[in-house]
Amino acid sequence: DTAVSQTPKYLVTQMGNDKSIKCEQNLGHDTMYWYKQDSKKFLKIMFSYNNKELIINETVPNRFSPKSPDKAHLNLHINSLELGDSAVYFCASSQERRGSTEAFFGQGTRLTVV
Amino acid sequence: AQSVAQPEDQVNVAEGNPLTVKCTYSVSGNPYLFWYVQYPNRGLQFLLKYITGDNLVKGSYGFEAEFNKSQTSFHLKKPSALVSDSALYFCAVRDYGSGNTGKLIFGQGTTLQVKP
Repeated sequence: DTAVSQTPKYLVTQMGNDKSIKCEQNLGHDTMYWYKQDSKKFLKIMFSYNNKELIINETVPNRFSPKSPDKAHLNLHINSLELGDSAVYFCASSQERRGSTEAFFGQGTRLTVV
Repeated sequence: AQSVAQPEDQVNVAEGNPLTVKCTYSVSGNPYLFWYVQYPNRGLQFLLKYITGDNLVKGSYGFEAEFNKSQTSFHLKKPSALVSDSALYFCAVRDYGSGNTGKLIFGQGTTLQVKP
């Protein structure tokens, strides 16, 4: 069983569209994250939820809205997509937000905006 | 603010030779340090971590890392490289800044190329 799974794996869409990426973890972790990997492979945190509560909201445009219906799921909705949103988006989870536990990552969603 | 630096964009090594991927960090307290590997078109896989204790940490696939507090470094090492080790490697530190969010802060990544 995949520990952290994201869907879809690939997403090609036109500018101005709205799209969602789903993430689920079956590890029983309390904390989930969204990271963005840009074209230079740099990884940056976007959001984090702990037990369905938003705890990190980095400088991300309002067009990006995370939603956590329960602690096993963290979805990412993006409105009015722009060319600059093209990137790989990774979902991750960890047992706790403080402390020594490592994060487990999904396989990523490659978003291409045309 | 916490930060991590990987000074080399790419490391090239011949198969069978030892490899080192460098990482330096800057934190305000005791660091929690991690190494991850990313194979092409794949997610990040956890390799190893340093929390406390022995400065030499052993991890997956024969990798190890040496924590050096005086040099604020956490270099990744392997005694004998394999072609299959070729990938992108990330060093990360857990954030203990304001809010104590616990997010991972990643270095820029180092591409390891192992040649037969």
